[in-house]
Amino acid sequence: EVQLVESGGGLVQPGGSLRLSCAASGFTVSSHYMSWVRQAPGKGLEWVSVIYSVGNTYYADSVKGRFTISRDSSKNTVFLQMNSLRAEDTAVYFCARHYDYLNYLDYWGQGNLVTVSS
Amino acid sequence: EIVMTQSPLSLSVTPGEPASISCRSSQNLLHSNGYKYVDWYLQKPGQSPQIVIYLGSNRASGVPDRFSGSGSGTDFTLRVSRVEAEDVGVYYCMQALQTPYTFGQGTKLEIK
Repeated sequence: EVQLVESGGGLVQPGGSLRLSCAASGFTVSSHYMSWVRQAPGKGLEWVSVIYSVGNTYYADSVKGRFTISRDSSKNTVFLQMNSLRAEDTAVYFCARHYDYLNYLDYWGQGNLVTVSS
Repeated sequence: EIVMTQSPLSLSVTPGEPASISCRSSQNLLHSNGYKYVDWYLQKPGQSPQIVIYLGSNRASGVPDRFSGSGSGTDFTLRVSRVEAEDVGVYYCMQALQTPYTFGQGTKLEIK
């Protein structure tokens, strides 16, 4: 059974850093594209970043230069390192798996809340 | 960046009646491989999003056949033939043709 479990969220001050983890089971993260998607309180979905199976990484303009996506195949886990956090980064962060070359997001985690506030 | 524009932003439907949501993209989402890289997701209250329709017109596993998707390169539609109470939530279109991937604003479906 495919499962994605996020962790690492919490309260952080503006300018601070946080690392989110997405532990996968039931499949191998290095064989799939993996994305992070966020949702600010009461708002819609915003795609944040993707890591391709070959290792390429891409980001939304709103986080480029501040966030870094990576994976650890030995732990079957995807990470999102978030630096220079701003109040507008406050959101629930979901990790999600892409279904092969068809690219749609077929499995999602439960979400992890990140709050940026002083 | 490809902009995805949904309409309407909210919808109130009587059970058993049809519903239709439109999604327009600022660029053609037809890939050279013949696939249209637009997907539809439903986020039910308090839940993570779930896939409903992929590649424009393919129902995801377990999705009732009252859901259908259609469209051309830039104009796409999600239809629910007979709305049921379990269909409430926010529907999002998303383009997965090129990064940055982008979502529409979302359409909230409520039951009258």
